[in-house]
Amino acid sequence: KAGVTQTPRYLIKTRGQQVTLSCSPISGHRSVSWYQQTPGQGLQFLFEYFSETQRNKGNFPGRFSGRQFSNSRSEMNVSTLELGDSALYLCASSSAAVTLNTEAFFGQGTRLTVV
Amino acid sequence: GNSVTQMEGPVTLSEEAFLTINCTYTATGYPSLFWYVQYPGEGLQLLLKATKADDKGSNKGFEATYRKETTSFHLEKGSVQVSDSAVYFCALRLTGGGNKLTFGTGTQLKVEL
Repeated sequence: KAGVTQTPRYLIKTRGQQVTLSCSPISGHRSVSWYQQTPGQGLQFLFEYFSETQRNKGNFPGRFSGRQFSNSRSEMNVSTLELGDSALYLCASSSAAVTLNTEAFFGQGTRLTVV
Repeated sequence: GNSVTQMEGPVTLSEEAFLTINCTYTATGYPSLFWYVQYPGEGLQLLLKATKADDKGSNKGFEATYRKETTSFHLEKGSVQVSDSAVYFCALRLTGGGNKLTFGTGTQLKVEL
């Protein structure tokens, strides 16, 4: 079955603009999590959505937001972009039930560059 | 808080050498532990996992044992190949914390002929 699909793969935006990234999870998975990866901070958790509701949130400013649709596809939005928002944004898809054996499957990421 | 500490890289080895990448964790609860691998330009792939103390996760020749007494989950491989060159991330997930993963900083492995 198809893996996690993130679009677009690459983006270049100007400071002050906003951006929307998309993630389509594996069919049947209802949990989508987002992570920011930078050389300085490593992998940081942004938020998790499950059944269209935010279930977990990391320590990011309110400029970072997300949502999930009824088909489990998720989008994240970053408003008023700053140079420091340049990063690889990764989406992870998991099945509904969080058990000890639940696995997260990652997409290839969206590389955002803010200039 | 919850955190994962990994040995700093890069780690450079010759092909067929033995690999150890150290990982220790701090957690308020009883976590599941994971190793992920990231190849250049790619996302993360799950390498192995362990969900309780003394569990050994294994895959593709890699192994790691969940040691509760030392709060460690060190990654080992007996004989590395050039194709193992990648960045390796240790991570934890707390029970009751949804699917949130807390990652270490990653260790870059370079394997040379």
